[in-house]
Amino acid sequence: DVKVTQSSRYLVKRTGEKVFLECVQDMDHENMFWYRQDPGLGLRLIYFSYDVKMKEKGDIPEGYSVSREKKERFSLILESASTNQTSMYLCASSPLAKGGNQPQHFGDGTRLSIL
Amino acid sequence: AQSVTQPDIHITVSEGASLELRCNYSYGATPYLFWYVQSPGQGLQLLLKYFSGDTLVQGIKGFEAEFKRSQSSFNLRKPSVHWSDAAEYFCAVGAPGGYQKVTFGTGTKLQVIP
Repeated sequence: DVKVTQSSRYLVKRTGEKVFLECVQDMDHENMFWYRQDPGLGLRLIYFSYDVKMKEKGDIPEGYSVSREKKERFSLILESASTNQTSMYLCASSPLAKGGNQPQHFGDGTRLSIL
Repeated sequence: AQSVTQPDIHITVSEGASLELRCNYSYGATPYLFWYVQSPGQGLQLLLKYFSGDTLVQGIKGFEAEFKRSQSSFNLRKPSVHWSDAAEYFCAVGAPGGYQKVTFGTGTKLQVIP
């Protein structure tokens, strides 16, 4: 089975801090994704990556950046955390296939609170 | 751009009753469609997917969904709900011709009462 592991289940940070959320997958998937999940809004795509060192903006990239130095690891970075970034963050991966036809495998999420 | 609508935010059913969760999509071409389930405190798990072919799709945990092009719908069904089915359910549409970008609905939270 595919395993997507997010480094923290819960995280509390202060406004203005630089925050790193880490995600590792063990199935050699080319594609990796970061979403945030908020009540009533579903999942919104922040960034995705289809190859090492490649990244594409999703629907809500403002205030975030990403890093993919190795195929199995995809990091989400909050450059200067703000309270409106308090949310559940979900990482996902999928194998390469153009056209959105491969299901994504999700980690268990990181619940991030910015105080 | 594609979009997905799940009109029911919250649904309550009795254990053993049948279930139908609604999903409507908007996309100009043949879509790729998915249903995921999220149990409390966990990530999303794929229930089933539709790419092409038979419009009635079987998934895990006894769920099925039917693709109806004329109604732009992909409703999820289960004939008899179990208490363990209480969770949040997300419909999603994939974008052909892109790099795996999918759009998720806002979710339907299912409560099961004994």
